[in-house]
Amino acid sequence: GAVVSQHPSWVICKSGTSVKIECRSLDFQATTMFWYRQFPKQSLMLMATSNEGSKATYEQGVEKDKFLINHASLTLSTLTVTSAHPEDSSFYICSARGAGGTWGSPLHFGNGTRLTVT
Amino acid sequence: GQQVMQIPQYQHVQEGEDFTTYCNSSTTLSNIQWYKQRPGGHPVFLIQLVKSGEVKKQKRLTFQFGEAKKNSSLHITATQTTDVGTYFCAGALMDSSYKLIFGSGTRLLVRP
Repeated sequence: GAVVSQHPSWVICKSGTSVKIECRSLDFQATTMFWYRQFPKQSLMLMATSNEGSKATYEQGVEKDKFLINHASLTLSTLTVTSAHPEDSSFYICSARGAGGTWGSPLHFGNGTRLTVT
Repeated sequence: GQQVMQIPQYQHVQEGEDFTTYCNSSTTLSNIQWYKQRPGGHPVFLIQLVKSGEVKKQKRLTFQFGEAKKNSSLHITATQTTDVGTYFCAGALMDSSYKLIFGSGTRLLVRP
């Protein structure tokens, strides 16, 4: 159980375009999902917390107008990178706590999306 | 802000040797979790430690949580090539933010 699916696995886009990444909880409902960004050989940096039915909570330094998060249902959160630039190239990973997950319980990660902006 | 530091950044061992990675938080944690990420993959949950001084074992892996709930370690006995990957600790904050703060990770390479 607790499978998180992320799509696409990789995407190449041109500078100035927007890219949407989907994160789905397949066998459980996730009221909260988390979006992380990871540069090569570095740690995971929390970008934002996605809350079903309400606005996302962004970490300090993350531009909310550039990284649009929508959590329209209990099983789907989307991250849209708007007007992408080469410096946005990175590995983006979503995660969620499993069914019945409580405060501080472990995360289940999607497979990640490798974004390359040319 | 809260920080979780991890050392070493990188370790290259001969198969059969032991390996340890250490994690230290700037603040007291509610719990600490460990994840493993294989090259090209996503982090996979290994274990969670909640109690002060807690020690847990998973086969050749031993996890410890410090008495002050600010540090932790992961020790692998007799490493195997399948242990290759990056090991991250992640501290759960004491507040109600639901946030996990990941350590910088330790990349383990094992020579066969």
